Amino acid sequence: ETGVTQSPTHLIKTRGQQVTLRCSSQSGHNTVSWYQQALGQGPQFIFQYYREEENGRGNFPPRFSGLQFPNYSSELNVNALELDDSALYLCASSLQGPNTEAFFGQGTRLTVV
Amino acid sequence: SQKIEQNSEALNIQEGKTATLTCNYTNYSPAYLQWYRQDPGRGPVFLLLIRENEKEKRKERLKVTFDTTLKQSLFHITASQPADSATYLCALGDDNNNDMRFGAGTRLTVKP
Repeated sequence: ETGVTQSPTHLIKTRGQQVTLRCSSQSGHNTVSWYQQALGQGPQFIFQYYREEENGRGNFPPRFSGLQFPNYSSELNVNALELDDSALYLCASSLQGPNTEAFFGQGTRLTVV
Repeated sequence: SQKIEQNSEALNIQEGKTATLTCNYTNYSPAYLQWYRQDPGRGPVFLLLIRENEKEKRKERLKVTFDTTLKQSLFHITASQPADSATYLCALGDDNNNDMRFGAGTRLTVKP
């Protein structure tokens, strides 16, 4: 186990709704990254937070937003859900800096109907 | 645009043989490359990291090579076991950006 926990593990939402996913980092890690993984694809980078500030963003629309708290836990919020948002959402914690390994949680499986 | 391709969707080999997985990339100059293992319904698990100035890295039965001229990394599992069956992902990154770019993965099945 990596020490990174995500909640909930599964979620079903209706198109147009909003969702909040949560992630607790591994102890001592100050950086959290969020990824979206569609079925049969590799994870796609959404954004990264370092010490409560956004520190890089992938090609995702503004309705994907996040937060990092002083204890380095994090939230991913998605507004106005679309069917294509159905995916496995992964968070990964790490120490800030280049070429550090990322420790992934087990993911949240989001289904939008 | 940047592209990362892993050799095939699925690879089947016999127990005891060496599995070789390929990661090719275009329009990108990564500073480092990582390999992850992912089991169904689970998050990826880090295996190995190799930097652009390193040719080869080993860890137990795993070996990774990185050829920046060919824009390719090879991932080898020697003396493969059924427990090695999983999807293997390569991920590229550089020191200026914080995002890692993942390939789609190769699903490896090791048959007894």
